Amino acid sequence: EPEVTQTPSHQVTQMGQEVILRCVPISNHLYFYWYRQILGQKVEFLVSFYNNEISEKSEIFDDQFSVERPDGSNFTLKIRSTKLEDSAMYFCASSGRDRVSYEQYFGPGTRLTVT
Amino acid sequence: DAKTTQPTSMDCAEGRAANLPCNHSTISGNEYVYWYRQIHSQGPQYIIHGLKNNETNEMASLIITEDRKSSTLILPHATLRDTAVYYCIVRVRWSGGSNYKLTFGKGTLLTVNP
Repeated sequence: EPEVTQTPSHQVTQMGQEVILRCVPISNHLYFYWYRQILGQKVEFLVSFYNNEISEKSEIFDDQFSVERPDGSNFTLKIRSTKLEDSAMYFCASSGRDRVSYEQYFGPGTRLTVT
Repeated sequence: DAKTTQPTSMDCAEGRAANLPCNHSTISGNEYVYWYRQIHSQGPQYIIHGLKNNETNEMASLIITEDRKSSTLILPHATLRDTAVYYCIVRVRWSGGSNYKLTFGKGTLLTVNP
């Protein structure tokens, strides 16, 4: 069964450093998302992406964040200058366009630890 | 998106049916009821969705009341691996091809006991 994959599974970085989290969505999907979950808190929407542009973003997704689909398979989330409060699990998700594949399917997540 | 209300936690014996309730009294006519679950810090997993008819798939059944103000997710034979946080989410499913974010609440922590 096709699945969303994410790398790395765990990333440790120092405050102020740039990080790039990578995702490979399900191959025939067209919509891509990033969510995050701070330890012990709810899963929060960050951004959705379609047709090479952001279709919606939350208040969390400020100028420090950016997303990109650099090729036909990867979908990346970049945090330019990490802060301690960026420590969280980051989940990528994808969904298709037809009514059969419209549900969002999530990857296993990347645990980001900012020290 | 309509607001949902779920119990904070529930217990279930292994092998028995787990019935997880959700109230969504402000649901709109074009909003679907979705269920996802999250097993200990893993990515949320889609379970099932429905509009007004009862639905069943290989994972679970979804019973939606006639007035659509509440629903119940049923895991017919719960196993220890079903221990997870279960999220009931109400949202528009399809509107001219637009994609919609999922808004997660706190969900119900289901603990399946041996």
